[in-house]
Order: sequence, then structure tokens, then C-alpha cells
Amino acid sequence: DAKTTQPPSMDCAEGRAANLPCNHSTISGNEYVYWYRQIHSQGPQYIIHGLKNNETNEMASLIITEDRKSSTLILPHATLRDTAVYYCIVYGQNFVFGPGTRLSVLP
Amino acid sequence: DTAVSQTPKYLVTQMGNDKSIKCEQNLGHDTMYWYKQDSKKFLKIMFSYNNKELIINETVPNRFSPKSPDKAHLNLHINSLELGDSAVYFCASSPRGAGAPYNEQFFGPGTRLTVL
Repeated sequence: DAKTTQPPSMDCAEGRAANLPCNHSTISGNEYVYWYRQIHSQGPQYIIHGLKNNETNEMASLIITEDRKSSTLILPHATLRDTAVYYCIVYGQNFVFGPGTRLSVLP
Repeated sequence: DTAVSQTPKYLVTQMGNDKSIKCEQNLGHDTMYWYKQDSKKFLKIMFSYNNKELIINETVPNRFSPKSPDKAHLNLHINSLELGDSAVYFCASSPRGAGAPYNEQFFGPGTRLTVL
């Protein structure tokens, strides 16, 4: 079973920041938080990952709380092409995908 | 320049047949995986495999078997296909073994299997 909890769906206006929350209250000290997304039944696409510190790359930013029990993926300027299912994964031994959050970016 | 490729993209077959799905990665990764995504869209790992170790999800029927001719390929063989095997199957690879840190997985485009 997935060790994460995400809202089933969210909407975001095009050009605005999309903030996707994830709860992982049972995360262990050596487990990473990974984010993937899946666009319309394509293969899942890696976005970003982190352990303790906040991370940023060309796609997104990842904010992890100090107690590591939750995190937020931020897409700074969402576009229509960011419409997808976003998966938050606690990675220890394997990637266990939950149902994710279906993000709809609206024009 | 496709990193992880799968063939075929679509596969339609009759119950009871035996079929194979091929996967190739050109990333030089050590570990490859097979996932199944059913009609409810849940993505579940079936196997992880590197040169040393095959890890099987215990829920996978033994009709499913991965075969790796070399490090860059991991094919999925399915015997005696059943209706419930209809799903999208994704291959993936990662640079290190399962459980290693900094081990992001790269996924193929998927193979949609339909069993009639």
C-alpha cells in the first residue's frame, strides 16, 4: 500500500502556481519523497525528489516540512500541458504508486 | 534517442494464448522493472531485475515471467492469458539496484494489452 495521502483532484488556472500537497506521516528517516506525473496514459515522468531539504529544478520545486511528514510540489507557472495525474511516492525499497492527484489546468 | 522503449504499443489476443512484450533501455542502467496499470489506473510493480537479483511481487501469477537476454533488455512473457490480464504494462529502468538512493526510474511508453 502507498504510504502517502493526496487529494484526488485539483484545479489550477493557467499561468498560476499549482501547489500539490502530500501527507506521508509514517516516512522513515532514510526514505526519499519522489514526485512523478502521468499525462494521459503515457509512461510516468520523473519530476523531482528530496530527502530533507527543499529542492528545485527546471520543472518544479519540492517543499518538505521540517518533520518530513508532508510535502508540497509547486509548479510555478502551470500550463495546459501540465494537466496530468501527479504521484507522490515515499521511496524506500520500491516505488509504490497511490491513486495520485488529478491536476486540471484551466485556460 | 528513446531512453526506454517497448514493443508492441498495442497487443490484442485471445484467452489462452502466450505472448511477449519487449523492453529496451539505452541509459546504461543497472535495474529494470515491469509495472501493471489496470483499468482503475493503479500502477503496481510486478518485477525488479538486475544482473544479480530478480525480485518478484508475490501477487504476480507465475504465468508471468521476465527474461533478460542482456543488461539493456527485459522482456515480459505471459502464458495462458486471461481476461484479467488486460491492462497497460510499463517497463522502467533505474541507474542502481532497488532500494538504492538517488534512483529515479525512467518509464517506457507502455503496452496496452487486450485479452478477448
